[in-house]
Amino acid sequence: NAGVMQNPRHLVRRRGQEARLRCSPMKGHSHVYWYRQLPEEGLKFMVYLQKENIIDESGMPKERFSAEFPKEGPSILRIQQVVRGDSAAYFCASSPGPLGQQNTEAFFGQGTRLTVV
Amino acid sequence: QQQVKQSPQSLIVQKGGISIINCAYENTAFDYFPWYQQFPGKGPALLIAIRPDVSEKKEGRFTISFNKSAKQFSLHIMDSQPGDSATYFCAASWSAGANNLFFGTGTRLTVIP
Repeated sequence: NAGVMQNPRHLVRRRGQEARLRCSPMKGHSHVYWYRQLPEEGLKFMVYLQKENIIDESGMPKERFSAEFPKEGPSILRIQQVVRGDSAAYFCASSPGPLGQQNTEAFFGQGTRLTVV
Repeated sequence: QQQVKQSPQSLIVQKGGISIINCAYENTAFDYFPWYQQFPGKGPALLIAIRPDVSEKKEGRFTISFNKSAKQFSLHIMDSQPGDSATYFCAASWSAGANNLFFGTGTRLTVIP
């Protein structure tokens, strides 16, 4: 039973390019969360998706960032026209149901480390 | 605004000692408090979690103590080992319509032999 799979593990982009980060949730999980972690800081919530729906994007920057979780395939976090400040580790988590329900835990992937040069 | 405050930022403990990490929160709606362990280059892994219907939960060498009135919770690692050296994050969420976890800023634990 594979865990949450993220790819690529490392991504280098020049300023102005686009970055696409992929996340395949654990088998049986239909809830996906994206978090961003800056060096020496905790994880900050970005967006919560279920299949084909964005449920909560309150942590997403208003511009250049978007996320999707199509019916088929992985969830994608897309960052357009990247800037140096986008350099961070981006983590995806998945859960079988909404967080907070009894015995519903979030499991994290190993992250994608984005470096903007 | 930091919803969950964590201390200390770093901690050095001798092998066999007790590591204690503290967290405090403000939002009284929080009712789920997990701890995550993160090794360098890896994602956070769920270590242990507690809900406020109990004041303590123990799993092996790891114990969460929860003080609802003080809005504080802490992680105790008994008989700390060098393999426990990692960054530990506390987090909080709530049951009704929770969409995400609010994380503390992390504690870097180093256990020296």
